[in-house]
Amino acid sequence: NAGVTQTPKFQVLKTGQSMTLQCAQDMNHNSMYWYRQDPGMGLRLIYYSASEGTTDKGEVPNGYNVSRLNKREFSLRLESAAPSQTSVYFCATLRNRGTPTNTEAFFGQGTRLTVV
Amino acid sequence: GESVGLHLPTLSVQEGDNSIINCAYSNSASDYFIWYKQESGKGPQFIIDIRSNMDKRQGQRVTVLLNKTVKHLSLQIAATQPGDSAVYFCAEKNDYKLSFGAGTTVTVRA
Repeated sequence: NAGVTQTPKFQVLKTGQSMTLQCAQDMNHNSMYWYRQDPGMGLRLIYYSASEGTTDKGEVPNGYNVSRLNKREFSLRLESAAPSQTSVYFCATLRNRGTPTNTEAFFGQGTRLTVV
Repeated sequence: GESVGLHLPTLSVQEGDNSIINCAYSNSASDYFIWYKQESGKGPQFIIDIRSNMDKRQGQRVTVLLNKTVKHLSLQIAATQPGDSAVYFCAEKNDYKLSFGAGTTVTVRA
C-alpha cells in the first residue's frame, strides 16, 4: 500500500522544454490535487480533479495542463517550462465524502523541479 | 481574490508551554477549515479539522477555534514538544477545492 506516489523526485529542465509529472494513488480516493510550494508562499493550488473525468483550475493554473487518466492517476504537464515554474510540486488525494475525516489529504513526497 | 493566510510567519515557543497559531480566511462559503503540519522534506500531514457550523473542536493535545464573525481560525497546541517543530498550514475546503495558507514556522526551544 504505497499511498500517493510521485515521479520523478528531482528534475532539471531548460527553459522551453516540456515535461509531465506523474502521480498515482492506491487509496481509491476520488479527488486528486496538484500544488506548488515556494518559500514563504505556502502551498498554492494549480489544478484539482474532484472525480475521474473532471478537472478544475485552482489558484495558479497558467502554464500547466492536467490529465485525470483514470481514478488512480493524475498528471501535470508543463508545455514550455519557465524559470518561474521552479518549485516543489506536490500531488495529493482527499478522503472520500461520507468517510470520517473527509478533509484529510494525503500527499506524495514531492517533485523538486528546477528550470534554468 | 479570496485566500487563506496566516498572521505570523514564525513562532518560537519554550518546550512545555502552550502554542497558539493564528490564521485569517476570507471565503465565507468554505464548509471546513483544517490544520496541517509539514516537517522538513515531507508533504503536509493532517492534524485536525473543524466544520464551519462549529466554534471549537478538540483533539489530542490540540484545539482548533473558529470565529466566523472575524473570519479567524486558530490552532492551540498544549505542552509543546520538540517534535512539534514544523511548518503549520491552515486550509479551507469549499466543495472539492482545498486551498492552503502561507504557513507558520514553529520552533520549540529546549
